[in-house]
Amino acid sequence: GESVGLHLPTLSVQEGDNSIINCAYSNSASDYFIWYKQESGKGPQFIIDIRSNMDKRQGQRVTVLLNKTVKHLSLQIAATQPGDSAVYFCAENIGGGFQKLVFGTGTRLLVSP
Amino acid sequence: GAVVSQHPSWVICKSGTSVKIECRSLDFQATTMFWYRQFPKQSLMLMATSNEGSKATYEQGVEKDKFLINHASLTLSTLTVTSAHPEDSSFYICNYPGRDYGYTFGSGTRLTVV
Repeated sequence: GESVGLHLPTLSVQEGDNSIINCAYSNSASDYFIWYKQESGKGPQFIIDIRSNMDKRQGQRVTVLLNKTVKHLSLQIAATQPGDSAVYFCAENIGGGFQKLVFGTGTRLLVSP
Repeated sequence: GAVVSQHPSWVICKSGTSVKIECRSLDFQATTMFWYRQFPKQSLMLMATSNEGSKATYEQGVEKDKFLINHASLTLSTLTVTSAHPEDSSFYICNYPGRDYGYTFGSGTRLTVV
């Protein structure tokens, strides 16, 4: 179901490190997943997506891994930069078409120079 | 493609007044638009789904008469917060549900009711 969190988990890393942000999704029938980055006061920005027929997808400095067995999604950011500091949300979608997204609680990534 | 333009970016209004938020699809036709609300340090919560030419579908617990949604054309969906109260202060975001475009979001509207 939809998630509401009072406290965002925080991941603190040093600039240049690799970051891994994890997400547990709720519905085994979900077949499409998206990672979003949200900076303060802005709308979520698409980072990368993956369909359920894949277990890995790579973009520029980012990799998404999907483990359907345990309903787990991760976002790996290589060589993390201060500009990557933001809140990251995973979202799942069922059924395609114009079905709604269900969001995870979010993780705050803090990158120290 | 799939650019969603949302206005205003922020608005401050007095308690009891109404505020209209617009989302326009700039380079595509949107038959459906989702409206989300986000409180500080929380995730996005779906409020309603607007459908061009028909009534919006509201999520459980969302007051239809308070949050009026209109989707009169294929390029414009609006959310009007009527008789706003301080507890309505939040970040409101529209979202176009197209997988080809990664479910593009508008830039959001920060509403503060005083």
